[in-house]
Amino acid sequence: DTGVSQDPRHKITKRGQNVTFRCDPISEHNRLYWYRQTLGQGPEFLTYFQNEAQLEKSRLLSDRFSAERPKGSFSTLEIQRTEQGDSAMYLCASSLGVTRNYGYTFGSGTRLTVV
Amino acid sequence: AQSVTQPDIHITVSEGASLELRCNYSYGATPYLFWYVQSPGQGLQLLLKYFSGDTLVQGIKGFEAEFKRSQSSFNLRKPSVHWSDAAEYFCAVGDRGGGSNYKLTFGKGTLLTVNP
Repeated sequence: DTGVSQDPRHKITKRGQNVTFRCDPISEHNRLYWYRQTLGQGPEFLTYFQNEAQLEKSRLLSDRFSAERPKGSFSTLEIQRTEQGDSAMYLCASSLGVTRNYGYTFGSGTRLTVV
Repeated sequence: AQSVTQPDIHITVSEGASLELRCNYSYGATPYLFWYVQSPGQGLQLLLKYFSGDTLVQGIKGFEAEFKRSQSSFNLRKPSVHWSDAAEYFCAVGDRGGGSNYKLTFGKGTLLTVNP
């Protein structure tokens, strides 16, 4: 499988717990993105990596959220002290970052439910 | 700031009928434009994209879209809809340059229902 992989597919957690999601991009893609999609909305940008460098974070990404991409390969998104408002689909995408390939490849997402 | 408006939240068409999904964008220059499709519980699949050149772009699954600068629109069309096209469709605009040429802004989506 050469697509973008996300794990887990579904996560149910109690409010106040910490959760971590993983994304494995397409191997040759140097850019990796995290988006969040709530019910009835389009995806919203959270953060972006070029190789291992995190180049931008949305104001949606509060201090409870942290993302890493060690060695420029897979990425993790951690949410600390989860709140019910964090319930959403978290989408990862990757791209080669050149114009003709501009158009991400998305993973299937991790659906988070905070109860 | 850039934005995308998809005026139709939900559209129902009969199988075999033609389809047009509307998308209007707000951006200061000629943008990068995209259409994505999302099946229930799944990620997004790229249908087509516009960067420059011919304003009518062809995509996968028989879809096409036309960029109209004067109307700030990028409507998606298909001449004959199949039941498998039932899904949610998202229009997106990307920054065309500068430091933010990697970020997409999505519309809220249009849910397509196909009747047999």
